[in-house]
Amino acid sequence: GENVEQHPSTLSVQEGDSAVIKCTYSDSASNYFPWYKQELGKRPQLIIDIRSNVGEKKDQRIAVTLNKTAKHFSLHITETQPEDSAVYFCAGGTSGGYQKVTFGTGTKLQVIP
Amino acid sequence: DAGVIQSPRHEVTEMGQEVTLRCKPISGHNSLFWYRQTMMRGLELLIYFNNNVPIDDSGMPEDRFSAKMPNASFSTLKIQPSEPRDSAVYFCASSSNSGRVTDTQYFGPGTRLTVL
Repeated sequence: GENVEQHPSTLSVQEGDSAVIKCTYSDSASNYFPWYKQELGKRPQLIIDIRSNVGEKKDQRIAVTLNKTAKHFSLHITETQPEDSAVYFCAGGTSGGYQKVTFGTGTKLQVIP
Repeated sequence: DAGVIQSPRHEVTEMGQEVTLRCKPISGHNSLFWYRQTMMRGLELLIYFNNNVPIDDSGMPEDRFSAKMPNASFSTLKIQPSEPRDSAVYFCASSSNSGRVTDTQYFGPGTRLTVL
């Protein structure tokens, strides 16, 4: 089965700086890589996803990159704000008929005002 | 749409008791997932239903756990008997794979279970 590793486990940045979270996956058949944000006491919510037919996707201050050859993908948050503080989970799996995704262990991001 | 609905939001029970968690997926979604979240093990997939049929239950910890989906709008996760190590937040999520590209899983608010 798929194994997703996520680093770092905690990350502190100054407000306005960039934050980068990295994940690797093991199953070369995986083609769908969502990222979820979970605020304290809340549910995980999708913030962005990328599929294996593209190498990069951007949505305002958030971008994801995917390197299929190396089997790793990353989340980039620019101009961080205090409200970006949360736990971020990457996940990898297959889209379509069988949707199982495997989650990484999460990165606790703290943005210091 | 109200989103994924879970009940109860909090459950405190004593070891050995039966616990039933409930989930109502988003209307029209045909995939349903049960996850367990703990500090030690992170977010674990317990079981996945597609069109009310269990597809993958390899994450179900042991025979004490069972899940059902009698129809497209309701699912239960049952723990019998419960043990202190079952204490966790249990999330239900749903998604649609009816031929569209999107695979977004929408999570419910979770049920925080404490087994004393």
